[in-house]
Amino acid sequence: DAGVIQSPRHEVTEMGQEVTLRCKPISGHNSLFWYRQTMMRGLELLIYFNNNVPIDDSGMPEDRFSAKMPNASFSTLKIQPSEPRDSAVYFCASRTGYGYTFGSGTRLTVV
Amino acid sequence: GNSVTQMEGPVTLSEEAFLTINCTYTATGYPSLFWYVQYPGEGLQLLLKATKADDKGSNKGFEATYRKETTSFHLEKGSVQVSDSAVYFCALDSSASKIIFGSGTRLSIRP
Repeated sequence: DAGVIQSPRHEVTEMGQEVTLRCKPISGHNSLFWYRQTMMRGLELLIYFNNNVPIDDSGMPEDRFSAKMPNASFSTLKIQPSEPRDSAVYFCASRTGYGYTFGSGTRLTVV
Repeated sequence: GNSVTQMEGPVTLSEEAFLTINCTYTATGYPSLFWYVQYPGEGLQLLLKATKADDKGSNKGFEATYRKETTSFHLEKGSVQVSDSAVYFCALDSSASKIIFGSGTRLSIRP
């Protein structure tokens, strides 16, 4: 079991550029979650999917953020255009039954 | 609504000291309760869980007991090690969909 796989691990981009973060959940897990973590705001749930369908995107901060899950083994979180205040660690997690398994995160720096 | 409140950090202890991190919750029904741990540069990992009242979760010397009468799930360890330095998150799951996390408690252990 390779766990939840996120890519890239680190991303540095210039303000205004498009950023795409990727996540491969654990096979068989039917729910997927995107979180953002910062020192100021802690861990924030952005959006989650059940069976590839977005269920709750109330945590997505602005229209600049979008997420897709085209199939059970892949999800993306896109920021367009990116801003310095988007700098954070973005985590993906998947679950089946009780408890989550988190990926190692993508550290995004927007300069 | 559902919520989790945990003690604010940082908590600094000497090696071999006794650890308690307090966690209380508000929830309808009968939630499952969790402790997650986040080591520097990594994602959150499930440390232990309890799914019903009076259950005790345990792992790596850590324990927590699900107390419905006090709506608490305090994390304890009898003798901490430097390697236990991390951020600890209390969490609850009452709907089998998204998990509610506390704000996290940073623990530092001095040699």
